[in-house]
Amino acid sequence: EAQVTQNPRYLITVTGKKLTVTCSQNMNHEYMSWYRQDPGLGLRQIYYSMNVEVTDKGDVPEGYKVSRKEKRNFPLILESPSPNQTSLYFCASSLNGGGYTFGSGTRLTVV
Amino acid sequence: QKEVEQNSGPLSVPEGAIASLNCTYSDRVSQSFFWYRQYSGKSPELIMSIYSNGDKEDGRFTAQLNKASQYVSLLIRDSQPSDSATYLCAVDNAGNMLTFGGGTRLMVKP
Repeated sequence: EAQVTQNPRYLITVTGKKLTVTCSQNMNHEYMSWYRQDPGLGLRQIYYSMNVEVTDKGDVPEGYKVSRKEKRNFPLILESPSPNQTSLYFCASSLNGGGYTFGSGTRLTVV
Repeated sequence: QKEVEQNSGPLSVPEGAIASLNCTYSDRVSQSFFWYRQYSGKSPELIMSIYSNGDKEDGRFTAQLNKASQYVSLLIRDSQPSDSATYLCAVDNAGNMLTFGGGTRLMVKP
């Protein structure tokens, strides 16, 4: 089944403890992207990647890192999480930068 | 700041009616336009894409684009209760940055 897989689905962590949210797609898509979704603010792009080893900042990149060492994987790293990073996170992929297929989401709580 | 604006709703329509969802965008160089549906607690799902002026139909859905007016809309014919969801308009400016509107919540009443 063609899909974008994110893990974990739910995560509660403490301020300052480094964490990684994994994202993998099995559709051989070139483009991958991370979004966060917050009430009243909608979906906002954090980082995107057009190909292996090519990443760029979206609208809200502060406090996040990404890497694209392989085509299928695009992990999101929070080096020192803070409570304002509590959010619902989505990874998404696209063949050519058009319509994206979204993962199921990761609900992150930072206390 | 590139912006995509949608009325947050809720838009309430009776079952069987036409639901009309609207979206405006600020960046004139925008080239690709998308409608996503998001059920409560679920991830966005792509339902329509449109790239040129005019109408594009897919089943009960019709997307309409007017680049001169910077306006894109989604019509849902014969609305069903299962269409009740939040509809997100998204605009792609350069193949990389997808900017989303805040979404319109649609409620279809039996």
